[in-house]
Amino acid sequence: ELKVEQNPLFLSMQEGKNYTIYCNYSTTSDRLYWYRQDPGKSLESLFVLLSNGAVKQEGRLMASLDTKARLSTLHITAAVHDLSATYFCAVDIGAGSYQLTFGKGTKLSVIP
Amino acid sequence: DARVTQTPRHKVTEMGQEVTMRCQPILGHNTVFWYRQTMMQGLELLAYFRNRAPLDDSGMPKDRFSAEMPDATLATLKIQPSEPRDSAVYFCASGLTPSVREQFFGPGTRLTVL
Repeated sequence: ELKVEQNPLFLSMQEGKNYTIYCNYSTTSDRLYWYRQDPGKSLESLFVLLSNGAVKQEGRLMASLDTKARLSTLHITAAVHDLSATYFCAVDIGAGSYQLTFGKGTKLSVIP
Repeated sequence: DARVTQTPRHKVTEMGQEVTMRCQPILGHNTVFWYRQTMMQGLELLAYFRNRAPLDDSGMPKDRFSAEMPDATLATLKIQPSEPRDSAVYFCASGLTPSVREQFFGPGTRLTVL
């Protein structure tokens, strides 16, 4: 059974600081997704990482994937209040399953 | 502006009543997923369809839940009879497989069973 673990689960950080969210998964995967969820809202796709060494950046967020270590990171640079949300990683094990297994989410609060 | 739509957005019902949730996937997408989100369990996959055929519903309590896709533009999730423990947000997502495989989520149905 595929397990996806995120840490930390809760993160409170000051504006302007940098931090990294980690996503570990237990079996081989060929793609990994990061989603953002605002309170009471749906999940919004942020990044799709398709191969080992993939790195994608959008604004203050940068995601990377190391398939050998079964690890993805979401790095936040110079955080701003608008980044406050819950961030989920999700792993696609492929092999025709098309299913995503989600981590528990990291609730990020950026404090002015 | 292509997006997944879900109705109703909110539903309050009493224990024992039937609940039907509907989802319209993005036009052209061939795969539809139903998820349930709760504080305790997080996001759980209940069922999914590809080209309208059910592929996996192992995450769904079979005695009370059923999922169907009567046509390519409509997916339904029914609970009968509903119980308080079914209170959750139910999300539908759609995608295009096998080429893209990214899932796009609808706004969700917030279900409260009293």
